[in-house]
Amino acid sequence: DAGVIQSPRHEVTEMGQEVTLRCKPISGHNSLFWYRQTMMRGLELLIYFNNNVPIDDSGMPEDRFSAKMPNASFSTLKIQPSEPRDSAVYFCASSLLGPGNEQFFGPGTRLTVL
Amino acid sequence: SQKIEQNSEALNIQEGKTATLTCNYTNYSPAYLQWYRQDPGRGPVFLLLIRENEKEKRKERLKVTFDTTLKQSLFHITASQPADSATYLCALDMGTGANNLFFGTGTRLTVIP
Repeated sequence: DAGVIQSPRHEVTEMGQEVTLRCKPISGHNSLFWYRQTMMRGLELLIYFNNNVPIDDSGMPEDRFSAKMPNASFSTLKIQPSEPRDSAVYFCASSLLGPGNEQFFGPGTRLTVL
Repeated sequence: SQKIEQNSEALNIQEGKTATLTCNYTNYSPAYLQWYRQDPGRGPVFLLLIRENEKEKRKERLKVTFDTTLKQSLFHITASQPADSATYLCALDMGTGANNLFFGTGTRLTVIP
């Protein structure tokens, strides 16, 4: 299995632009998570989906952030408009639904907003 | 408030020694506790899981303990090697089936040859 796939790996954009991050979870996994990691705040959960349904988006910082999961094999995280403080590494992870299951992380997208 | 704290941001030890990392939490009642390793430029990778009714779990040179009274987990790496240098994260799983984890701040371990 290829593992969790994220694209792009790096994104540099200017303030005000729209940014879309993409994630393909491991086949068969029915939970998907979006995280943001910075030196200051560590790993923060933004939103997660169970069976393609958003369960908890309380970690989404502002209305500028939105996430979708149109099917079991694809999810997007969109930032519109982007701001310099959004610069971070964004990780997608997937797991099997159920207590005690490990999460499998993708390689991350390093976002820089100038 | 709910907090998950891991001991010092950075820990340096000599090769061959045992590294001990600490994860303390307040105002949580996790059913499981997981430990992950993260290398620079990569996503976290799962290492071990311990259940609330387990005191200790081992895997090769790794050992995890879980004390629900102290609200603490200890993560040990015996006979440490330079290749063990990485950031280690603890994560709490409430066991509700919601599947979300609450991650600690991480400890950056450096094993000096």
